[in-house]
Amino acid sequence: QQKVQQSPESLIVPEGAMTSLNCTFSDSASQYFAWYRQHSGKAPKALMSIFSNGEKEEGRFTIHLNKASLHFSLHIRDSQPSDSALYLCAASSGSWQLIFGSGTQLTVMP
Amino acid sequence: EAAVTQSPRNKVAVTGGKVTLSCNQTNNHNNMYWYRQDTGHGLRLIHYSYGAGSTEKGDIPDGYKASRPSQENFSLILELATPSQTSVYFCASGARLGGYEQYFGPGTRLTVL
Repeated sequence: QQKVQQSPESLIVPEGAMTSLNCTFSDSASQYFAWYRQHSGKAPKALMSIFSNGEKEEGRFTIHLNKASLHFSLHIRDSQPSDSALYLCAASSGSWQLIFGSGTQLTVMP
Repeated sequence: EAAVTQSPRNKVAVTGGKVTLSCNQTNNHNNMYWYRQDTGHGLRLIHYSYGAGSTEKGDIPDGYKASRPSQENFSLILELATPSQTSVYFCASGARLGGYEQYFGPGTRLTVL
């Protein structure tokens, strides 16, 4: 049974800082890894995803995957107040299921 | 963009009552999911479906039933609601052949008194 754990639970950073969010998973057969972002009172929305080891960059966001260490992360460059949200990591399990972590609440202070 | 709608958006129910949460998607996605979200637990999968007529148990199915009468509609049913089922419920859809990405509805806030 896939287990996904996130750290830290909450994070406060100043505007312009680099933010790093972490996620570990337990199923080495997992194929798909993603980060979802959820603004307060809204639906979660997919932010980035990755299938294979390495890095993927989209604008200010970078996702990094290391399957050997069962770890993936999200890095936000030049963090903005609009980035303040709950970030959920997810890893695939079985057929077309995602297992989500408990979330990291990010606050970016102006 | 994928469109998933949920109704009602807010619901107050009494203990022991029956509650039905509805979800509709217009993207012709095969897969649909029901999650609940509680502080400190992220999103936990209750039931899911691979297509019309199918329902499967997720990680926390006890106390919930699901129904998928058509490609577009997926309902979550609480036959005997309890206060422990007070939560925010999200429906999501995803295309089986299109990958794992899921598109979420706006959520239903359920309070069981």
